[in-house]
Amino acid sequence: SAVISQKPSRDICQRGTSLTIQCQVDSQVTMMFWYRQQPGQSLTLIATANQGSEATYESGFVIDKFPISRPNLTFSTLTVSNMSPEDSSIYLCSVEDQSEVQNTEAFFGQGTRLTVV
Amino acid sequence: DAKTTQPNSMESNEEEPVHLPCNHSTISGTDYIHWYRQLPSQGPEYVIHGLTSNVNNRMASLAIAEDRKSSTLILHRATLRDAAVYYCILRYSRYSGGGADGLTFGKGTHLIIQP
Repeated sequence: SAVISQKPSRDICQRGTSLTIQCQVDSQVTMMFWYRQQPGQSLTLIATANQGSEATYESGFVIDKFPISRPNLTFSTLTVSNMSPEDSSIYLCSVEDQSEVQNTEAFFGQGTRLTVV
Repeated sequence: DAKTTQPNSMESNEEEPVHLPCNHSTISGTDYIHWYRQLPSQGPEYVIHGLTSNVNNRMASLAIAEDRKSSTLILHRATLRDAAVYYCILRYSRYSGGGADGLTFGKGTHLIIQP
């Protein structure tokens, strides 16, 4: 199993500013992902954080708005840039160790609850 | 991605079994069936997954139809702590050469447990 620490757990930010969310895992993992959960909705994948290279973004998400870093196998950051009230959501980090060939389980952090005012 | 269909909500009584259905009529031969649940104010947690055969673990059982077009998550004895949103997700096997994509969540089933 993997234990994920996400910081901050919540924040209230002014529109036009940026917030960087950190995701720290207690063990090395091959895959790290970032998700968004808008109020009352299900989770939507934002991007896959790739170690040492640019993240792979899903349709509807762009690097300028959600820059992602992954400097090593245990840490990643997601920045929400130039925020607007529509960015108010819970942002979740997820990890998987896919060193095994069969399907594996994903582990999720507790999430960062962001409110933009 | 192959799609899943789940009831929006279900209600059950505490200490009774719960059967959560999922339809996935367009499933491919290399898709695994995964179940996750999200307790209030928490990130999702893994419950169980399977390919063709029924699966059991300490949390639940997964019954997969012979044609694989549907599956049922079984909680043998529900407790209040099992109240959550349950997601049925299809994921292709890495054997098929698929990459390590993230999970595609549908709306899930909101399970309500009555004391």
